Order: sequence, then C-alpha cells, then structure tokens
Amino acid sequence: EIVMTQSPATLSVSPGDRATLSCRASQSVSSNLAWYQQKPGQAPRLLIYGASTRATGIPARFSGSGSGTEFTLTISSLQSEDFAVYYCQQYKNWPPVTFGQGTRLEIK
Amino acid sequence: QITLKESGPTLVKPTQTLTLTCTFSGFSFSTSGLGVGWIRQPPGKALEWLSLIWWDDDKRYSPSLKSRLTIAKDTSKNQVVLTLTNMGPVDTATYYCAHFRGGWYSYWGQGALVTVSS
Repeated sequence: EIVMTQSPATLSVSPGDRATLSCRASQSVSSNLAWYQQKPGQAPRLLIYGASTRATGIPARFSGSGSGTEFTLTISSLQSEDFAVYYCQQYKNWPPVTFGQGTRLEIK
Repeated sequence: QITLKESGPTLVKPTQTLTLTCTFSGFSFSTSGLGVGWIRQPPGKALEWLSLIWWDDDKRYSPSLKSRLTIAKDTSKNQVVLTLTNMGPVDTATYYCAHFRGGWYSYWGQGALVTVSS
C-alpha cells in the first residue's frame, strides 16, 4: 500500500498571501495524484488531477506540481473561501486508493 | 448535471450489517471506464477508501476491509449498493459515494453519517 504523507498538518496563512501544501508518496506514483478541498460539513471537491491539471471550474489561483514522490499544491492569493482542509490522493497503485491525512489551512 | 446521493440507516447496532445505497443521475454505467466508489470519513479524521465498482461489473475492495465489504450495482435503477458486515464503533463515519473516472473522484454525494451504537 502506498502511504501518502501531507505536511504541515496545519498551515496558518493570511488572506491574500500564498499557501504551499506538500504531499509525499512512500513510492513513486508518477503523476497519478489528485488534490481535494473539503469544507466543514461538506463533501470533498476535486481541485487537481494528474498532479497539475485543474478540474472544471477551479480558479487559476490553484496550481499543482510535482511527480514521482513529491507534490505541491499552491494557492497563489488566498481568498476567504479557500480556508479548508486539503487532501491528496494517489491512483497509481490500487487497491487501495490512498489519501493523505490532510492539511488544515487556517486564517492567520 | 451529475449528482449522487447516499441513503441508508443513520444508526446501526454493533455486529449488524450496514447497507448503503448510492443513487445517481447524469451518467450511466453504459459509459466505458466509469466507476462508482465508496469512501468514508470518521468524525474529525481523514478519508478512507472502501470500494469501487466498474461499468463492466468488475469490483475492487480495500484489502483491510475486503472480508466485510460487498459492492453491487443495479444499472436499471442507477444505483450502487455497499454492504459492510459486523459493524463496530470504529465504523462510525460519514460514508460518501463518488463518481470515478481516470483515477480521481470528480463528483461526490453529500455523505451519510452512520453511527454504530447499542
């Protein structure tokens, strides 16, 4: 099973600033990585797939990068609605599909 | 417009079997490469993948839960049913069904909170 590790667990950032979230895979997943955003009481929402392709309707301030074992989600200028929990997910080797433990992005 | 919705009991007793139904619209199992999966999330915790059924009825299960899980589809009703046997307190979670294609989950249901308690 591929283990996905996200860091940091909590990130405090001011609105308007840039946020950088990391995700590491225990073995290479090539570019088979997705990112999701989850707000309290809501289902996850797909942001990024293929490590860097934005899903339909996702604003350009969200960008993904990386391949192999190291990945980054960058939010270029944080808006109030961006404060949420973010999960990465690998789909290179499954079952099982595996998710990271999440990064909570909070207002500084 | 693609939508999914989970339905089932909100409370189950320990050792009972949980049966959840995912009813969807906006797509069908006639589409090659498409799947519907189940993911759960214990309160305050991370997402855990459970199972997936493909358009061709191929099925995949989480290795850690495989002995307790069954997934099936009813193409005529646009439904996917998940059963989880021998429920325990650790199975308390919000259970989501989601549209799967390409490796990622593009559309999710609202989730169904299931509590295991006597």
